[in-house]
Amino acid sequence: QVQLKESGPGLVQPSQTLSLTCTVSGFSLTSNSVHWVRQPPGKGLEWVGAIWSGGSTDYNSALKSRLSISRDTSKSQVFLKMNSLQTEDTAIYFCTRIPGNWGQGVMVTVSS
Amino acid sequence: DVVLTQTPSILSATIGQSVSISCRSSQSLLDSDGNTYLYWFLQRPGQSPQRLIYLVSNLGSGVPNRFSGSGSGTDFTLKISGVEAEDLGVYYCMQATHAPLTFGSGTKLEIK
Repeated sequence: QVQLKESGPGLVQPSQTLSLTCTVSGFSLTSNSVHWVRQPPGKGLEWVGAIWSGGSTDYNSALKSRLSISRDTSKSQVFLKMNSLQTEDTAIYFCTRIPGNWGQGVMVTVSS
Repeated sequence: DVVLTQTPSILSATIGQSVSISCRSSQSLLDSDGNTYLYWFLQRPGQSPQRLIYLVSNLGSGVPNRFSGSGSGTDFTLKISGVEAEDLGVYYCMQATHAPLTFGSGTKLEIK
């Protein structure tokens, strides 16, 4: 059974770095891509970035300078790191095996 | 970046009514491999998005056949033939032909 589960801090201070982990099961990271998608409160979906099966990455153009996605295939984990956080980065962050399976999401609030 | 324009932004329907949602792309979504990577998702209140349609017109596993997708190039449509109460939520189109991936702004389906 395919599952994805996000974990990370619920509260981050402005200008600090966000670190999230997506732990997957039921499929291999070396054969599948994993994406991060975020959703600010009451707003639509925004693609953040992805790590492809071969290990290469692609990022949202507007976030590229602050964003890094990596993985540990031995632990079936994908990592998101975003620095210089602002209040506008407050959102639910989903990891997903687009287009199929989605995690439940983790709410991240940027506030002092 | 590819811009996906969804219309309408809000849709109000009675049970049993048939409705359509349009998704127009700023660029052709036909990939050089012959596929068109256009997807439709439904996000019910408080839930993660779920895939309805993949590659323009293919029904996702377990998705009722009252949902159908059509279109090509830059113009795409999601149709619900006989709305049911469980269909309420926000519908999103998404393209994965061009990096970065992008989502439409969403169509909220309300039940009268």
